[in-house]
Amino acid sequence: AQSVTQLDSQVPVFEEAPVELRCNYSSSVSVYLFWYVQYPNQGLQLLLKYLSGSTLVKGINGFEAEFNKSQTSFHLRKPSVHISDTAEYFCAVTEGIIQGAQKLVFGQGTRLTINP
Amino acid sequence: NAGVTQTPKFRILKIGQSMTLQCAQDMNHNYMYWYRQDPGMGLKLIYYSVGAGITDKGEVPNGYNVSRSTTEDFPLRLELAAPSQTSVYFCASSYGRLAKDGYGYTFGSGTRLTVV
Repeated sequence: AQSVTQLDSQVPVFEEAPVELRCNYSSSVSVYLFWYVQYPNQGLQLLLKYLSGSTLVKGINGFEAEFNKSQTSFHLRKPSVHISDTAEYFCAVTEGIIQGAQKLVFGQGTRLTINP
Repeated sequence: NAGVTQTPKFRILKIGQSMTLQCAQDMNHNYMYWYRQDPGMGLKLIYYSVGAGITDKGEVPNGYNVSRSTTEDFPLRLELAAPSQTSVYFCASSYGRLAKDGYGYTFGSGTRLTVV
C-alpha cells in the first residue's frame, strides 16, 4: 500500500524567508501527487498537483513543487513567505483507481508557522 | 455554489450514544469520501462511495457506517460512540476524472466530534 511521509511536523520561519516542506512517497510506479493546505478551523484546499509532464508544478499563492521520481519526493517550496501562509500543509498521493474511485493517501501534515 | 456542506460543525457525544454526520454536495460529483483527521496522523479514509447505492470501506471503517441513497448526500453514522472516535471528520467529493477536475478533491469544512 502507498504511504506518504512528511519529514517535518513543524516548520517555523520568518516572514519573507524561503521555505521548503518535504514529502516522500513509497511507490515507484506512476502516481499522482498533491499538496493541500488547511487554514485554521477550515477544510483542506488544493494547492497544486502533479499528474504528468513538467516535473516543476506551480500552484496558488506562489507555491511550487518539484516531482523527483528517482527520489520518490514531491517537496513544496515558496521563495518568500507571508504571515498569511501560516497553516497546515498535507502531501497526498493516489493509491490507485478502484471501481473508478481515486483514493488519496495523506501524509501526517506539516504545520508552517510564519513569524514576523 | 455551496460545494461540500457538513453539519454539524461541532458535537459532544457521550460514550454509547449514536449520531449521524451529514454531508451534501451540489457539484454532481459521483465520488464521495469520509476522512478522519487526528493530530500528527494526517487524514485516514473511513468510507468512500463511487455513486448512489455503492459504498466501500477505507482504511479505518470500524465503528462507522455509511449510506448513499442520492448523488448529493453521503451521511456517516456512528452507532456506539467511543472515546477513540474523538476526531475531526471531513467529507470530500470529486468527479474522479482527469479531464474534469484533475482528480482533485473538494473538502467540506469539517465536523469536530468529542466523545466523553
